[in-house]
This record gives sequence, structure tokens and C-alpha cells, in this order.
Amino acid sequence: NAGVTQTPKFQVLKTGQSMTLQCAQDMNHNSMYWYRQDPGMGLRLIYYSASEGTTDKGEVPNGYNVSRLNKREFSLRLESAAPSQTSVYFCATGQGITGELFFGEGSRLTVL
Amino acid sequence: SQQGEEDPQALSIQEGENATMNCSYKTSINNLQWYRQNSGRGLVHLILIRSNEREKHSGRLRVTLDTSKKSSSLLITASRAADTASYFCATGGSGNTPLVFGKGTRLSVIA
Repeated sequence: NAGVTQTPKFQVLKTGQSMTLQCAQDMNHNSMYWYRQDPGMGLRLIYYSASEGTTDKGEVPNGYNVSRLNKREFSLRLESAAPSQTSVYFCATGQGITGELFFGEGSRLTVL
Repeated sequence: SQQGEEDPQALSIQEGENATMNCSYKTSINNLQWYRQNSGRGLVHLILIRSNEREKHSGRLRVTLDTSKKSSSLLITASRAADTASYFCATGGSGNTPLVFGKGTRLSVIA
């Protein structure tokens, strides 16, 4: 029972490169989220999926796309990475929109 | 934009002392939650208090909620070195809006 699994854990990109962060959960939760965490900024919501087949923008969606592949998987794609996207990215899941969230261990992305 | 704002930003105490962190928010909420984050790790849920509750306990944690002042406090009693972490409040609004997190309080417990 792994909970919430994020891959990769670390990634270094050059400006303009693309990549996809993967998130998978085995908790049978309906809702999945992508947050970014920057020093002094707390967590900011990028995109979320309230249920399979739906996605919605959060506070900071620009430069990102998401796919809710099925109930278990929610991916975050950076099409053309920028240094401003250097951050730690967290995937989270929950049964309902305003209920308790369960977080992955984070993916640390550096864009040079 | 951030809904919850924690205060203080950083707190350093001796082992055995109590630690109090505060969270203020701006709009009406359905519930308020507290999370802990150890260095380099993901966030872990600690406690949820609903808008119609005033106080809740879980082990050494005590959370209060004052909806008239739009504020909450998290008290950790008899702190231990293992409580060293960042603590975040998160507010759940009415309707179908996701949780919004504050910027966190960094707690250091010195043995």
C-alpha cells in the first residue's frame, strides 16, 4: 500500500525542455491535486481533478497542463520549462474537495 | 492567493514547552485543517475542525477555531525534538473549492 507515488523525485531541465511529472494513488480517492511549493510562498495549487474525467485550474496554472489518465493517475506536464518553474511539486489526493489530503513525497525540479 | 496566514513565521522553543501557532483567514470556511511537513518530505494531515466546532483535541494537539475572528490556533503541548517541522493551516471553503494553504510556521524544538 504505497499511498501517493510521485515520479521522478528529482529532475534537472534546461530552459525550453519539456517533461511530465507522474502521480499515482492506490487509495481509491476521487480528487487529485498538483501543488508547487516555493520558499516563503507555502503551497500554491496548480491544477486539480475533482473526479475522473474532469480537471480545473488552480491559482497558478500558466505554463502547465494536466491529464487525469484514470482514477489512479494524474500527470502534470511542462511543455516549455522556464527557470520560474524551479520548485518542489507535490501531488495530493482526497476523497472530497474540502476533506483531508494525502500527499506524495514531492518532485524537486530545477530548470537551468 | 493565500487564504490562511500563519503567525509566527518561525518559532523556537525548548523541549517540554508548549508551542502555539495561529492562523487567520479572510473568507467564510467549511473547515480548517492543520498539516505538518518535516524537512524534505510531503505534508501530513494532523487535524480537521469544522466551522461549527470551537475546539478539538488529538493527542498532544489542541486546535481552536473562532469564526467570528476568522482565526484558528494550534497548540502542541509538551513539545519534543521530533515536533520540529513546518506547520500549515489550510482552509476548505463552501461549495466545491479546493483547500487553500497558508505559508506555514517553522517550529524548532531544541533538546
